[in-house]
Amino acid sequence: DTEVTQTPKHLVMGMTNKKSLKCEQHMGHRAMYWYKQKAKKPPELMFVYSYEKLSINESVPSRFSPECPNSSLLNLHLHALQPEDSALYLCASSQDWERPQHFGDGTRLSIL
Amino acid sequence: AQKVTQAQTEISVVEKEDVTLDCVYETRDTTYYLFWYKQPPSGELVFLIRRNSFDEQNEISGRYSWNFQKSTSSFNFTITASQVVDSAVYFCALSEGGDNNDMRFGAGTRLTVKP
Repeated sequence: DTEVTQTPKHLVMGMTNKKSLKCEQHMGHRAMYWYKQKAKKPPELMFVYSYEKLSINESVPSRFSPECPNSSLLNLHLHALQPEDSALYLCASSQDWERPQHFGDGTRLSIL
Repeated sequence: AQKVTQAQTEISVVEKEDVTLDCVYETRDTTYYLFWYKQPPSGELVFLIRRNSFDEQNEISGRYSWNFQKSTSSFNFTITASQVVDSAVYFCALSEGGDNNDMRFGAGTRLTVKP
């Protein structure tokens, strides 16, 4: 069992749907991350929420929007996604940049 | 910009063989951290080891060992007496800190251990 919990584990959605991916950690970590990973590629950083500040990878399209309700939760809202957005979405948390990031099991997202 | 290179895309060995996964990095910072992660077919990234830029001591943990050499900007990972359960994709990663806590991954090496 991982200490970072992601739900759902699998999601299939149409291009016009709105859905959310949820990520929760109870390790008291101050930083949380969203990554996108395509098949046979390394994870690519999308967003970082660290010490109450959100940082965005400028290449991430606006149809992805993060939300941090509190220090333990980092959600990812999805709207009007494209087929190329199909991927494994990984959430992670860490105490700070010097410490290892702990990853969840991921959400496998398929866009029809 | 920081960069991590894992030149070996795929490696296949027979069980009980030793195998070394290479990692070369580029950074202008004097303070940085290097990591190795394992990603089995289930998809979860599992942390294996962290090394900071000021500590060049090699480390051994069971069948795993790591060789950090700043002179060649390398942080190689060796599995001794490999087992089928070691089959996974292994990522080397570099963190320089800064506002974005940005950790950059190498492309990964897919290790297959055959019985």
